Amino acid sequence: SQELEQSPQSLIVQEGKNLTINCTSSKTLYGLYWYKQKYGEGLIFLMMLQKGGEEKSHEKITAKLDEKKQQSSLHITASQPSHAGIYLCGADDVDTGRRALTFGSGTRLQVQP
Amino acid sequence: GAGVSQSPSNKVTEKGKDVELRCDPISGHTALYWYRQSLGQGLEFLIYFQGNSAPDKSGLPSDRFSAERTGGSVSTLTIQRTQQEDSAVYLCASSFIASYNEQFFGPGTRLTVL
Repeated sequence: SQELEQSPQSLIVQEGKNLTINCTSSKTLYGLYWYKQKYGEGLIFLMMLQKGGEEKSHEKITAKLDEKKQQSSLHITASQPSHAGIYLCGADDVDTGRRALTFGSGTRLQVQP
Repeated sequence: GAGVSQSPSNKVTEKGKDVELRCDPISGHTALYWYRQSLGQGLEFLIYFQGNSAPDKSGLPSDRFSAERTGGSVSTLTIQRTQQEDSAVYLCASSFIASYNEQFFGPGTRLTVL
C-alpha cells in the first residue's frame, strides 16, 4: 500500500523565518493534498496538486509537486504565529483503489514570536 | 452551517459500553468518510460511503465497529463494547464525489474510554 513520509516531524521557528516541510511517497502520486490541523479542530484544506511540476500558492504558503510525482514540499514564507499547527499531507490511495486518503504522520510547527 | 458537523464533540465512556458518533456532511456531498486519529499517530481510514453504493469497510479495525448512512446524508459510527485502545479523535469528512476532490473535515469527536 502507499505510504507517505513527512519530514521533519516537528519544527520550531522564529516568527518571520521561512520553512519547508516535505512529503515523500513510496509510489507515484496522482493527487496530493495538504491540510492544516490545529489542536482540537478538524483539518483545514490548504492545496491540492496533481500534475508533475505543479506549484500552487495561497498567501504565504506555496506547495510543489516534483516532476516524478513522488515528493511534495510545502514552503511558508515569513512565518507567523497563526501558521502554527500540524501540517498533514494526504494522497489518493490509487494502489488499493480505496476512495479515501492515505495520510502522512504530520509535521508539528511552532512559531515563536 | 455550511460545514461538516459532528456530535458529540467529546465523549467519555466506560470500557464495555457502546457509543454512537454522528456526522452531518455538507449538503449535496455524495461521499462521506470516517477516519480515526490516535494520540501520536496519523489519520487512519475507517470506512467510506459513496452515494448508494456498498460502503468500503476495509479500514474498520474490528467487528465491534460499524457505520451506516441514512438517506445518503447523516452517518452514524457505532463502536460496541468499547476498549481503551478505541480512545481517539474520530473525524468525518465529505466531498462531492470520491477521489481527486477536496475532502471537507468536521471538527471531530474526541472519544475517551476509561
